[in-house]
Amino acid sequence: ELKVEQNPLFLSMQEGKNYTIYCNYSTTSDRLYWYRQDPGKSLESLFVLLSNGAVKQEGRLMASLDTKARLSTLHITAAVHDLSATYFCAPLQGGAAGNKLTFGGGTRVLVKP
Amino acid sequence: GAGVSQSPSNKVTEKGKDVELRCDPISGHTALYWYRQSLGQGLEFLIYFQGNSAPDKSGLPSDRFSAERTGGSVSTLTIQRTQQEDSAVYLCASSLRRLAGVRLDRELFFGEGSRLTVL
Repeated sequence: ELKVEQNPLFLSMQEGKNYTIYCNYSTTSDRLYWYRQDPGKSLESLFVLLSNGAVKQEGRLMASLDTKARLSTLHITAAVHDLSATYFCAPLQGGAAGNKLTFGGGTRVLVKP
Repeated sequence: GAGVSQSPSNKVTEKGKDVELRCDPISGHTALYWYRQSLGQGLEFLIYFQGNSAPDKSGLPSDRFSAERTGGSVSTLTIQRTQQEDSAVYLCASSLRRLAGVRLDRELFFGEGSRLTVL
């Protein structure tokens, strides 16, 4: 069974500084998704990482995938207040042949002025 | 509609009653998922429908939970004899096609969820 661990669970950020969220998973998966969730809202897709070594960037967010280490990172550059949200990673169970996303417990991010 | 639509958005019920939650996926999407999110927690997979294939029910927590998908479109999640531990947000998601495969358009889109409170 695929297990997903995110850390930290909570991240208090200062505006303008850089931070990283880590997502470790227990069994082989070569595809991973990152989502953002604002309080009381649904999940918004951020990135789909499709292969080992994949790196994607959108604004102040950059995600990468290392399938050998079973690790994905979400890097936040020069944090701003509107990045406050909960971030979830979700590897595809069964890798490229699978169909279910298994979600981590989420990292709650609070960006303070 | 443009996105995944779920109803009701909020449901309060008494312990022991049955509830039905509805999901309208994005038009043309063949894959449909139900997830459950308890307060402050991550998402727990419940059930997956893909086209006309038999659904993957491996995540349903008990036989009180069932789901169907009619005509390859709308899905209903039914919880019988609700218990307090069933209180959660039930999220539906759809995808144009199977998430597996080599093509790049493999995104999963979520609805706003149905918040269930069992008193």
